[in-house]
Amino acid sequence: NAGVTQTPKFQVLKTGQSMTLQCAQDMNHEYMSWYRQDPGMGLRLIHYSVGAGITDQGEVPNGYNVSRSTTEDFPLRLLSAAPSQTSVYFCASTRQGGRSYGYTFGSGTRLTVV
Amino acid sequence: QQQVKQSPQSLIVQKGGISIINCAYENTAFDYFPWYQQFPGKGPALLIAIRPDVSEKKEGRFTISFNKSAKQFSLHIMDSQPGDSATYFCAASIRTSGSRLTFGEGTQLTVNP
Repeated sequence: NAGVTQTPKFQVLKTGQSMTLQCAQDMNHEYMSWYRQDPGMGLRLIHYSVGAGITDQGEVPNGYNVSRSTTEDFPLRLLSAAPSQTSVYFCASTRQGGRSYGYTFGSGTRLTVV
Repeated sequence: QQQVKQSPQSLIVQKGGISIINCAYENTAFDYFPWYQQFPGKGPALLIAIRPDVSEKKEGRFTISFNKSAKQFSLHIMDSQPGDSATYFCAASIRTSGSRLTFGEGTQLTVNP
């Protein structure tokens, strides 16, 4: 099993550009989420989904959109990139309600906005 | 508002020593407290977890101590090894919120040989 696959691994954007970070999982997990990791701030939840067609906002949703058309895919869209969105982005999945099962994280996308 | 506060931000320990990382939470509805371990260039991975009905959980060299009245919990790494050098995150969740986790700020642990 591949687990959680994130693409690209690295990306440099200019301010104002848009892009989509891809996330795919092959474990049939209902729950998927996007986090951003910044030094000294831990992992902050951007958006999450409890199943296909269902998404909701996390702590820091502004400037990001998500959709969940299939169980496997959960892309994160940056609408108009800003330097404040420079970060490492992680996608994670787990069984819905399976807290003790643990999250499976992707290896991350390092995004720089100049 | 950081609902789970973690300290210290960084920690340096000698090989064979004890590493201690502390977390405090505000929301008394939290009822599940996992710790995640992250190596450079990788995503975090579940290390160990505890529920508030027990005061301690041990798995190998890793132990979680939980103090419900103080709303604090900590990770102890006994006989710390250079291979334990990583970033550690505490987290918390509420059963009624499904699988949603709230993470602490992270602690970068370095174990010197």
